Amino acid sequence: KQEVTQIPAALSVPEGENLVLNCSFTDSAIYNLQWFRQDPGKGLTSLLLIQSSQREQTSGRLNASLDKSSGRSTLYIAASQPGDSATYLCAVKRGYSGGGADGLTFGKGTHLIIQP
Amino acid sequence: EPEVTQTPSHQVTQMGQEVILRCVPISNHLYFYWYRQILGQKVEFLVSFYNNEISEKSEIFDDQFSVERPDGSNFTLKIRSTKLEDSAMYFCASREDRVADTQYFGPGTRLTVL
Repeated sequence: KQEVTQIPAALSVPEGENLVLNCSFTDSAIYNLQWFRQDPGKGLTSLLLIQSSQREQTSGRLNASLDKSSGRSTLYIAASQPGDSATYLCAVKRGYSGGGADGLTFGKGTHLIIQP
Repeated sequence: EPEVTQTPSHQVTQMGQEVILRCVPISNHLYFYWYRQILGQKVEFLVSFYNNEISEKSEIFDDQFSVERPDGSNFTLKIRSTKLEDSAMYFCASREDRVADTQYFGPGTRLTVL
């Protein structure tokens, strides 16, 4: 059974710092990996999706990398801002040749606070 | 920008009662999902739905749960006889098609079972 772990569970840094959030998964046979942001009491906002054949994806100040063979992904946030404060979730979709309707397996998230 | 919407935002019910949670997925999407998040816990997959039938369900999705797409826009989750442990945030998600993999989530319905 796939297990997704995120480290650290919580992180508080001053504004402007670059930071790295980590995600690991036990079964490397994944189809893709998705990073989400969750604000308190709100839904999940998709940030980046990396297909299993890709090594990284970038969107603005965010860069996500994937090392499928070692079961790891990192989310790099450059020049952090107070508005980046949220919980960041990593989720994997299991490998399936047809890319079907499989649900995602989530980690518990990293609660990030950016201090002004 | 199109969004997934869910109603109600908060539902309070008595144990043993039936509840129906409603979702309107993004209009041209073909795949639909329900997830739940118990307070302080991980988001957990419940069920996926495609072409008017369940594609996959987790072990959580037992006979107490059912899903339906009653018309061209709504997607519902029914819990037949609620238990205290059903208290959670329930998220609906949709995905455009077989190629586009990103799942888009709604804001959630907080279900409180008393």
